[in-house]
Amino acid sequence: EVQLVQSGAEVKKPGESLKISCKGSGYSFTNYWIGWVRQMPGKGLEWMGIIYPGDSDTRYSPSFQGQVTISADKSISTAYLQWSSLKASDTAMYYCARRSATTEWFDPWGQGTLVTVSS
Amino acid sequence: DIQMTQSPSSVSASVGDRVTITCRASQDISTWLAWYQQKPGTAPKLLIYAASSLQSGVPSRYSGSGSGTDFTLTISSLQPEDFATYYCQQANSLPLTFGGGTKVEIK
Repeated sequence: EVQLVQSGAEVKKPGESLKISCKGSGYSFTNYWIGWVRQMPGKGLEWMGIIYPGDSDTRYSPSFQGQVTISADKSISTAYLQWSSLKASDTAMYYCARRSATTEWFDPWGQGTLVTVSS
Repeated sequence: DIQMTQSPSSVSASVGDRVTITCRASQDISTWLAWYQQKPGTAPKLLIYAASSLQSGVPSRYSGSGSGTDFTLTISSLQPEDFATYYCQQANSLPLTFGGGTKVEIK
């Protein structure tokens, strides 16, 4: 079974750094792009960016470029989303999802990681 | 960026009703469109891809149609487990963009 399992919920203060993870299993992790999607409380879905773990080729949405860093460690089949300095406005649920083999839709999705940033 | 506009933003319907949700792209995306279902507290689930192809395991009461800029998701006979929020997503070009969502509620 193809599965993405994300790290647990985080509570952080403004200005702190954070790295959340997404571990793939049940398929060849290096051969599929992994995307990240933000969902702010009560709001819709926003695409943040995507990484190809095979060579770490990464693309960002202009809205998130410079705000986050997407990376991957293919040796442990894990993708990451990180912040160097969190803001209260980063409070959201973050999902990773596997891109299809041929084009830009996503299945399956991870269960989500809730990030809460509050002083 | 390609803007995706869904309508309505919410719809109240009864079990057994036919429900139609529309999604409009700000430019021609051919059939590069996906539909997702999201239930409260859970991750989105892919329902339809390439505008009209049913993802494996998705009930046949779901169907998608359209091309170019106008697309439709139809639930032919609403079931209790279908009450959720539905999102369209264009897969034509980066950055990928989603519609604002349509919440299907119980009448």
